[in-house]
Amino acid sequence: EVQLLESGGGLVQPGGSLRLSCAASGFTFSSYGMNWVRQAPGKGLEWVSAISGGGNSKQYADSVKGRFTMSRDNSKNTLYLQMNPLRAEDTAVYYCAKAAAGNWYSDLWGRGTLVTVSS
Amino acid sequence: EIVMTQSPATLSVSPGERATLSCRASQSVGSNLAWYQQKPGQAPRLLIYGASTRATGVAARFSGSGSGTEFTLSISSLQSEDFAVYYCQQYNDWPLTFGGGTKVEIK
Repeated sequence: EVQLLESGGGLVQPGGSLRLSCAASGFTFSSYGMNWVRQAPGKGLEWVSAISGGGNSKQYADSVKGRFTMSRDNSKNTLYLQMNPLRAEDTAVYYCAKAAAGNWYSDLWGRGTLVTVSS
Repeated sequence: EIVMTQSPATLSVSPGERATLSCRASQSVGSNLAWYQQKPGQAPRLLIYGASTRATGVAARFSGSGSGTEFTLSISSLQSEDFAVYYCQQYNDWPLTFGGGTKVEIK
């Protein structure tokens, strides 16, 4: 079955760090770019970052640039998002999403993991 | 950054009626425009890419049109399962950006 499964969310204090993971299955992981998209409670979707299939090209939203690092381990079919330092405004459900072949829209989404930044 | 503006914010429609949602880009994105559907508590689902191509498994009552800066998502005859929030997204340039969403609710 083609699926994405995020993990690693939780409650963290402002200034703290967290690493999200996204396990992919059912497709050739290394052949596709991947996105992280977040959604603050009751708000719309916000693209966070993207990484190419080989992992050598990355893009970030200005809101997270310099604080978040996206990476992937193609041998483990796993995507990561290292987040630090975290701010209250980073509180959101974080979705990993597979990019379509040759494009950057997302044709497969995980169920998301909730990150809460609060003291 | 390309700003995506969706209208209206909320659309009240009766089942069986047609719904028309708009999305405007602050600069041309060509046909690099996608539409997603999101139901409460669920992840977004891809509906349309390339401005007008339905994703696999998407019902034929969903159609997309437009290019450049003006785009439309139409739902020809609303079914109960279509009441949701719809987002447009441009993927023509970095950063990727989403519209604020249109909530389609039961009238």
